[in-house]
Amino acid sequence: SQQGEEDPQALSIQEGENATMNCSYKTSINNLQWYRQNSGRGLVHLILIRSNEREKHSGRLRVTLDTSKKSSSLLITASRAADTASYFCATAVNSGNTPLVFGKGTRLSVIA
Amino acid sequence: EAEVAQSPRYKITEKSQAVAFWCDPISGHATLYWYRQILGQGPELLVQFQDESVVDDSQLPKDRFSAERLKGVDSTLKIQPAELGDSAMYLCASSSLRAGLPHNEQFFGPGTRLTVL
Repeated sequence: SQQGEEDPQALSIQEGENATMNCSYKTSINNLQWYRQNSGRGLVHLILIRSNEREKHSGRLRVTLDTSKKSSSLLITASRAADTASYFCATAVNSGNTPLVFGKGTRLSVIA
Repeated sequence: EAEVAQSPRYKITEKSQAVAFWCDPISGHATLYWYRQILGQGPELLVQFQDESVVDDSQLPKDRFSAERLKGVDSTLKIQPAELGDSAMYLCASSSLRAGLPHNEQFFGPGTRLTVL
């Protein structure tokens, strides 16, 4: 079953704008991860945030985590056409080699 | 850069036929996962291996699905017989704490897209 729910389901923006995607989940977690999936391809890991962290940055990506609200957000700044993809949040209830529970994803379209 | 390999990339079959998918994880990755992704949804775990042992197959429809990782390296996922509802992307992923990663980042293969007619 899906753990997370991403919001919005689809997002269309102009190149150069910022894109914000939100994720809510249901159970306590050890960490939350964001993945990107280009159409018809596998998933690529973007960033991981642990349950004791509130914010993390990686290049143009900024992730926040609010464990009290069981929610996370992914911000992509200065978007590019190449950022067009589906973005999924995934939660892990434990550290170590534990399966990830994915949300349904947000489809981002960046228009040049 | 090391990658997870999967084959075939695409498979079209008729219902009631048998299909098999192959995955070769990143060298040295002890943990291997098979996920199923229905169009428009996120991946859902089918089975997890640690070396050659099944750790979690609670979501694997065992009446028709089977998975093996005999030597703890590559893995095969089989469906017999295939049903219309099995049409999906089948993704393989691997991970390893022994590689020095402090967390369970998973590396995904390109997937096998199955269409059952």
